[in-house]
Amino acid sequence: DAGVIQSPRHEVTEMGQEVTLRCKPISGHDYLFWYRQTMMRGLELLIYFNNNVPIDDSGMPEDRFSAKMPNASFSTLKIQPSEPRDSAVYFCASRPPDNEQFFGPGTRLTVL
Amino acid sequence: KQEVTQIPAALSVPEGENLVLNCSFTDSAIYNLQWFRQDPGKGLTSLLLIQSSQREQTSGRLNASLDKSSGRSTLYIAASQPGDSATYLCAYCLSGNTPLVFGKGTRLSVIA
Repeated sequence: DAGVIQSPRHEVTEMGQEVTLRCKPISGHDYLFWYRQTMMRGLELLIYFNNNVPIDDSGMPEDRFSAKMPNASFSTLKIQPSEPRDSAVYFCASRPPDNEQFFGPGTRLTVL
Repeated sequence: KQEVTQIPAALSVPEGENLVLNCSFTDSAIYNLQWFRQDPGKGLTSLLLIQSSQREQTSGRLNASLDKSSGRSTLYIAASQPGDSATYLCAYCLSGNTPLVFGKGTRLSVIA
């Protein structure tokens, strides 16, 4: 398996623009997690899905953030409109029940 | 409140030294605990997973132990090498269906 795949790897955009981050989890993993990492706040859980259903989105910072998982092999995290304080590295991770969690390489987002 | 503490926040050692990284957590009824490594600008790589029924796991020069009663885990690195320089994070979950709770990590530098 190729592991968790994220795209794009880097995104630079201007304030107010819409940003869409993409994730393909490892095949067979029932859980998918979206995290944000910054120097100040460390690693923060934004939202997670089980079998494509959102379970807990309490970590989503604002209504500007939304996430979807239309099928078992694809998820998106959207920010609309983006702001400079959204600049961070966004990670997607997946895991099967009862087992190891694997992370993608991350998307480095810069909002100017 | 679920919390993971990793002390020290940073550690610098000469090459060849054996070292121990510490992780303490607030819940004694953990389900499993995972150690990760993160290189600068990269994603998190899973190193070891310890189930609650286990006391330790080994992989090469790495050995992780788990003491649920005291709320502690340690990651032992034998014969450290400059390539071990990275940030090491520990994380636990309370069940196979809940997200990992992460510490802020220990930044390790191994000096040649």
